[in-house]
Amino acid sequence: GAVVSQHPSWVICKSGTSVKIECRSLDFQATTMFWYRQFPKQSLMLMATSNEGSKATYEQGVEKDKFLINHASLTLSTLTVTSAHPEDSSFYICSARVSPLWDTEAFFGQGTRLTVV
Amino acid sequence: KQEVTQIPAALSVPEGENLVLNCSFTDSAIYNLQWFRQDPGKGLTSLLLIQSSQREQTSGRLNASLDKSSGRSTLYIAASQPGDSATYLCAVRPMDSNYQLIWGAGTKLIIKP
Repeated sequence: GAVVSQHPSWVICKSGTSVKIECRSLDFQATTMFWYRQFPKQSLMLMATSNEGSKATYEQGVEKDKFLINHASLTLSTLTVTSAHPEDSSFYICSARVSPLWDTEAFFGQGTRLTVV
Repeated sequence: KQEVTQIPAALSVPEGENLVLNCSFTDSAIYNLQWFRQDPGKGLTSLLLIQSSQREQTSGRLNASLDKSSGRSTLYIAASQPGDSATYLCAVRPMDSNYQLIWGAGTKLIIKP
């Protein structure tokens, strides 16, 4: 099956710094990628939808200036958490669709555990 | 607004037992429903995908059913093994979504040796 690689798998950063998370589709072109956030014992919540070559669409309540998403190529999307604070500590996970032409399963990255201290 | 609920939140059973995990959703206008497995601190593994026109899907010891009209899906695990211990998530794709998924909070399953 299709492979989505997410890096890093975990990161600890100081409050006020920025962190970049990468999501790569290794063996297919992903025209659309999704970024989710999961707090402990809660559901995954969609943060934004990223389409290659265009601006990301953010869900209500998600600050686009704080969570910068770039999808410059068909195989790479990045999420940058700017000026991170302890409340941003969470599990971030990306997913990618194989093609816009037909419905397929969603393939997920391994996730990134972000801890802001 | 679509909401997905999973019951129970946690389940612990002895090895070898058959078990059923439940997922319910409030809006029957879905494109498909998926069951995923999440291991602690790790990403998601897709287990089964059921299209809205289907009633069930099987993979090995796993069987997922879908009753769209009643807003329910079940994941049946036969002959459970300690390696099945994980959190199981169900997610629906609403008909009006841009391939977005709406998730349940998951059922944490522990299989005791």
